[in-house]
Amino acid sequence: LAKTTQPISMDSYEGQEVNITCSHNNIATNDYITWYQQFPSQGPRFIIQGYKTKVTNEVASLFIPADRKSSTLSLPRVSLSDTAVYYCLAGYSTLTFGKGTMLLVSP
Amino acid sequence: GAVVSQHPSWVICKSGTSVKIECRSLDFQATTMFWYRQFPKQSLMLMATSNEGSKATYEQGVEKDKFLINHASLTLSTLTVTSAHPEDSSFYICSASMTSGFTDTQYFGPGTRLTVL
Repeated sequence: LAKTTQPISMDSYEGQEVNITCSHNNIATNDYITWYQQFPSQGPRFIIQGYKTKVTNEVASLFIPADRKSSTLSLPRVSLSDTAVYYCLAGYSTLTFGKGTMLLVSP
Repeated sequence: GAVVSQHPSWVICKSGTSVKIECRSLDFQATTMFWYRQFPKQSLMLMATSNEGSKATYEQGVEKDKFLINHASLTLSTLTVTSAHPEDSSFYICSASMTSGFTDTQYFGPGTRLTVL
């Protein structure tokens, strides 16, 4: 299982781009990198998943360097509703949730 | 698409009673379902993994006789907390995957808040 390390918290303002970096130094060959968003008292919501290079969908981009030891979730133009905990996971056969990053978006 | 429901959304029970929580994949067949527990201000902890028609695989430290998991069909898994005690009070979340691996996304249910008095 690849252990992940993320910043405990981040602050931003509405309209800014937010980049959350996750470290997963012992990622295995088969591991995919997945990011989830969780609001209080709700189940996590899938944001994006990737294996290498760059992946983009309608809500975020995921950047993964060639060595795959880290990844960066990019949220363009955040709004107040993006205030949540963001989890980075690296795994194949089991998912281990780390502490996540509490993102606070202010007006 | 890929919606997972849980029922009930919250439950309050007396100590010593059993509580059943249902997890359903509404628009896809879930080969694998997972059960997590989350205490306040903490991250999700995987409790067990279940595949349709076979016994669940429990994580270390999770009592399989206390947390009974049944994955009877490709769309339904149940978690029964037997002889619940106040320390079992927590937020229980299920997720479902279309395959037995994690290259496909896990889709999470909305969670069930269990309070044991």
